[in-house]
Amino acid sequence: KNQVEQSPQSLIILEGKNCTLQCNYTVSPFSNLRWYKQDTGRGPVSLTIMTFSENTKSNGRYTATLDADTKQSSLHITASQLSDSASYICVVSAVFSGGYNKLIFGAGTRLAVHP
Amino acid sequence: GAGVSQSPSNKVTEKGKDVELRCDPISGHTALYWYRQSLGQGLEFLIYFQGNSAPDKSGLPSDRFSAERTGGSVSTLTIQRTQQEDSAVYLCASSSGQAVNTEAFFGQGTRLTVV
Repeated sequence: KNQVEQSPQSLIILEGKNCTLQCNYTVSPFSNLRWYKQDTGRGPVSLTIMTFSENTKSNGRYTATLDADTKQSSLHITASQLSDSASYICVVSAVFSGGYNKLIFGAGTRLAVHP
Repeated sequence: GAGVSQSPSNKVTEKGKDVELRCDPISGHTALYWYRQSLGQGLEFLIYFQGNSAPDKSGLPSDRFSAERTGGSVSTLTIQRTQQEDSAVYLCASSSGQAVNTEAFFGQGTRLTVV
């Protein structure tokens, strides 16, 4: 069964600290993996995308890694800011017959950054 | 349209009433997803459309929930005989479906409150 598991479910850190969020997936055949950020009361917005051949990708203070062999990804946030408080959702794309991509969403990690 | 549009943005209904939630995806997007998010919780998958067909409706919590999509565009999620536990934000997302690096774009959601 295609699944995306995220951990931890929630996380509290102090402003300025770093943190790492985890995503494990069992999606096959794998196409790509995206991390989304969802601010409170808003829809999720894409942060990064990684394909099978990419191991790491950065977007400002956000760095995503991907290990396609172990089917694990992480999102590392450096020097956290209060505005980083949000839910972070891991989304894996699977390719099905007919060439269509179906997106499998994780439940998300809720991050709270405290001053 | 420029983005995914959902209506209404807020809906308060009495227990036992039926409600219809509407999603207008981005023009040309073949894939459409319905999710719901209870307060403080992660995304809960409901149903996935590819064109007008729904190859995956495994997330619909009961037979009170149904969804349809016509003309490969607008989708309607119907909840019959609403219960208080149906209260949540219902999010719709669309993607191009066939692009390799397909990204899901979310609407702002419909906040449903059953009183």
